[in-house]
Amino acid sequence: NAGVTQTPKFRVLKTGQSMTLLCAQDMNHEYMYWYRQDPGMGLRLIHYSVGEGTTAKGEVPDGYNVSRLKKQNFLLGLESAAPSQTSVYFCASSNTQENTEAFFGQGTRLTVV
Amino acid sequence: QQQVKQSPQSLIVQKGGIPIINCAYENTAFDYFPWYQQFPGKGPALLIAIRPDVSEKKEGRFTISFNKSAKQFSLHIMDSQPGDSATYFCAASGNRGSTLGRLYFGRGTQLTVWP
Repeated sequence: NAGVTQTPKFRVLKTGQSMTLLCAQDMNHEYMYWYRQDPGMGLRLIHYSVGEGTTAKGEVPDGYNVSRLKKQNFLLGLESAAPSQTSVYFCASSNTQENTEAFFGQGTRLTVV
Repeated sequence: QQQVKQSPQSLIVQKGGIPIINCAYENTAFDYFPWYQQFPGKGPALLIAIRPDVSEKKEGRFTISFNKSAKQFSLHIMDSQPGDSATYFCAASGNRGSTLGRLYFGRGTQLTVWP
């Protein structure tokens, strides 16, 4: 049972490049989330999904897009990377509306130069 | 606007001490308050959680105290150990509107326990 798996684990991008972060969960969870973690800022919600085919904006959605074509996968896209998007990105999933337990992946460390 | 305010930002205690981390919120729609623990290079993991119908919850050496009227809750770690050194996040989620299906996190407290 892998839980929540994120790929890649590390990536360096040049300003203006695009990339997609993949999150996969094998717990049949309905809810999936993308957070970014920056020093002193905690975890901030970028986008989330309450089920297959749905997406919604979080606190800091600008510059990111997401898709949830399959229940087990949640993709985070950066169309034109900026240095301000240098961060550690975490995907999470949960099986209840009230997030009684969110399971997190190991994170993706992204550097935009 | 920070929905959940957490303090202190960092905390250093000796082994056996009782670190206390505090959080405050304003949104009365919040009705679930978890704490997450994160070790370096790992994702956060649920440590303990509480609902507003109780004022205290204990799991092992970890205790949450909850003050509904003050809209505050805190984490106490009894007999702290070097292995407890980690970053701790408080969070909140709710049962209606924009709080439903979302976790709002505090900014985290980096705890160091010296042997």
